[in-house]
Amino acid sequence: DADVTQTPRNRITKTGKRIMLECSQTKGHDRMYWYRQDPGLGLRLIYYSFDVKDINKGEISDGYSVSRQAQAKFSLSLESAIPNQTALYFCATSDSGSHLETQYFGPGTRLLVL
Amino acid sequence: QKEVEQNSGPLSVPEGAIASLNCTYSDRGSQSFFWYRQYSGKSPELIMSIYSNGDKEDGRFTAQLNKASQYVSLLIRDSQPSDSATYLCAVNRDSNYQLIWGAGTKLIIKP
Repeated sequence: DADVTQTPRNRITKTGKRIMLECSQTKGHDRMYWYRQDPGLGLRLIYYSFDVKDINKGEISDGYSVSRQAQAKFSLSLESAIPNQTALYFCATSDSGSHLETQYFGPGTRLLVL
Repeated sequence: QKEVEQNSGPLSVPEGAIASLNCTYSDRGSQSFFWYRQYSGKSPELIMSIYSNGDKEDGRFTAQLNKASQYVSLLIRDSQPSDSATYLCAVNRDSNYQLIWGAGTKLIIKP
C-alpha cells in the first residue's frame, strides 16, 4: 500500500464550486504540505503544517484553505474554484526528526476547473 | 533572479553517456539540497540528497555540491532510456524546512 495517498486522483469541476482534496499518510510523519504544479513553473507551496495545531501559508495560499484533521490527514479546499486553479496538486510529508528531512509525495490529483 | 534556477532543457544525451544536470541557488545560507526525478504525470521521487561540499555517490548517480559557487549538480553515468524524466532541484533554505524548488530540467536519453 502507498504511504501517502490522495483522493480523488482526478477531478473535473465548474467555476464557483467548492471542492476538497484529501491526503492521508501512514508514514508517521509530523509535517505535511500541499503543492501545485503547473507546466514550466515547478512546484509551488500552497500550505504546510508542522503538526496538528500548526498551519502556515505558503507562497500561493490565496483561494485555498486547509484542515489538519489528524497527524495523518491534511485536506485542501478550494472555496470557489476558478479556471486558473486547474493544475496538478501534490501532497507531501516529512519527518522533522530525520537528518535531511526528505519530502515524500503522494500520487497527485489532477484538477480541471471549467 | 529566481531563488533556484535550472535549465529547462530538454537535454538530450545518448544512451550510455554521462548526463550532467545543473542547479544554481541564490541564498548563501542554504543548508541542504535535493534532486528529485519526476516522470510525466507522476509524483516526484527522491534521487539524491546532499548537505556537505563535495561529491556524494549512489550507484550511477553522483551529486556535487559547491557552496562557494552556489551550485549543485547531478551526474548520471551510463544513462539509460529509463532515466528520461524531468529532474527537479530543491534547496532547504532555513530551519523552517521549506523547500525551494527549481522548475526542472527535462532529460531525454536517446537509444
